[in-house]
Amino acid sequence: DAGVIQSPRHEVTEMGQEVTLRCKPISGHDYLFWYRQTMMRGLELLIYFNNNVPIDDSGMPEDRFSAKMPNASFSTLKIQPSEPRDSAVYFCASNTRGAGANVLTFGAGSRLTVL
Amino acid sequence: QQPVQSPQAVILREGEDAVINCSSSKALYSVHWYRQKHGEAPVFLMILLKGGEQKGHEKISASFNEKKQQSSLYLTASQLSYSGTYFCGTEHSLIDRGSTLGRLYFGRGTQLTVWP
Repeated sequence: DAGVIQSPRHEVTEMGQEVTLRCKPISGHDYLFWYRQTMMRGLELLIYFNNNVPIDDSGMPEDRFSAKMPNASFSTLKIQPSEPRDSAVYFCASNTRGAGANVLTFGAGSRLTVL
Repeated sequence: QQPVQSPQAVILREGEDAVINCSSSKALYSVHWYRQKHGEAPVFLMILLKGGEQKGHEKISASFNEKKQQSSLYLTASQLSYSGTYFCGTEHSLIDRGSTLGRLYFGRGTQLTVWP
């Protein structure tokens, strides 16, 4: 398996623009997580899905952030409009509880810079 | 609900030992340890599921005290390759889970630097 695949790896945009980050989880994994990493706050969970259904979105900062998982192999995290304080590395991770343990496999991350 | 890690940073000479601590204010079901190299994604090291359980990974081991809601990561005879940021992730106990089933709360991380 190629692992969790994220795109783009780097994104530089101007304040007010829409940003869409993409994630392909590992095939067979039924949980998908979106994390944001900053120096100040560390790794924060934004939202996670189980079987394509959002389970907990309490970490989503505000209405400017939205996430979707239209099928088992694809998820998007959208920021509209973007602000400089959204600059961070966004990680997608997936796992399955079939083995009884909650072990996450992370993607390589999308580094977002909002000017 | 974020676990607290200490210390924030550690600087070692190759061959020295280090301990990284993780504590939670919530009852825990499991504790996970991940390592992140600069510019890369966090990588899973180990998971501890039972009180007092210890596990090992190369010369890295960990313990989990369920009653104290604490875990410690032990790095012995450190190698240059151990450099990175170590994160503990906590999964809350079954009673406290509810809608947070499967959710991992990560600490702020401990930056470990090993010098030759």
